[in-house]
Amino acid sequence: DAGITQSPRHKVTETGTPVTLRCHQTENHRYMYWYRQDPGHGLRLIHYSYGVKDTDKGEVSDGYSVSRSKTEDFLLTLESATSSQTSVYFCAISEGYDAGELFFGEGSRLTVL
Amino acid sequence: QQQVKQSPQSLIVQKGGISIINCAYENTAFDYFPWYQQFPGKGPALLIAIRPDVSEKKEGRFTISFNKSAKQFSLHIMDSQPGDSATYFCAADNYGQNFVFGPGTRLSVLP
Repeated sequence: DAGITQSPRHKVTETGTPVTLRCHQTENHRYMYWYRQDPGHGLRLIHYSYGVKDTDKGEVSDGYSVSRSKTEDFLLTLESATSSQTSVYFCAISEGYDAGELFFGEGSRLTVL
Repeated sequence: QQQVKQSPQSLIVQKGGISIINCAYENTAFDYFPWYQQFPGKGPALLIAIRPDVSEKKEGRFTISFNKSAKQFSLHIMDSQPGDSATYFCAADNYGQNFVFGPGTRLSVLP
């Protein structure tokens, strides 16, 4: 299994509070991604990173920010959580541009009350 | 144009039967078509993938059929087993620029 660790794995928070999810990889892969998974929508890309301090928006980036200060860590922040951000969040990594396979972490389940 | 459509939403198959899941896309720039398998509580994992220069790829009991002119591709699971019960996602990628997933199919294989 690819060395991807997500934390926390489960979190319950209240509307309006900030939340940060962490993704840590030991594969030294250049590309890292944050997806959210919701029933009927599959996996939708929030943000991705193609290198340290290099990030870009995905399909559903509103309300989310990311940071990557080290190759191995990619942080997803919800500045002010809303109930619509209740979801399962997956981090993924890939070796590089057009590298094909994405390797996924085990997910972080976030509930916003 | 970036959407990938997937059907059926759910599928129930008897052990030993054939499971077929279909996907369709619009963007002709897509050049990589993977299928991911996800078990409850786990992240998706690559099952099998195909590039548009071939019409079929087989790995064990799993086969992808690809129809470039129709912009469709499908996953066939032969001799389906209860251990194949999972959610399956098709996806399409455009040279690493835009990885798009279908909404998923929940497969249940009855013993």
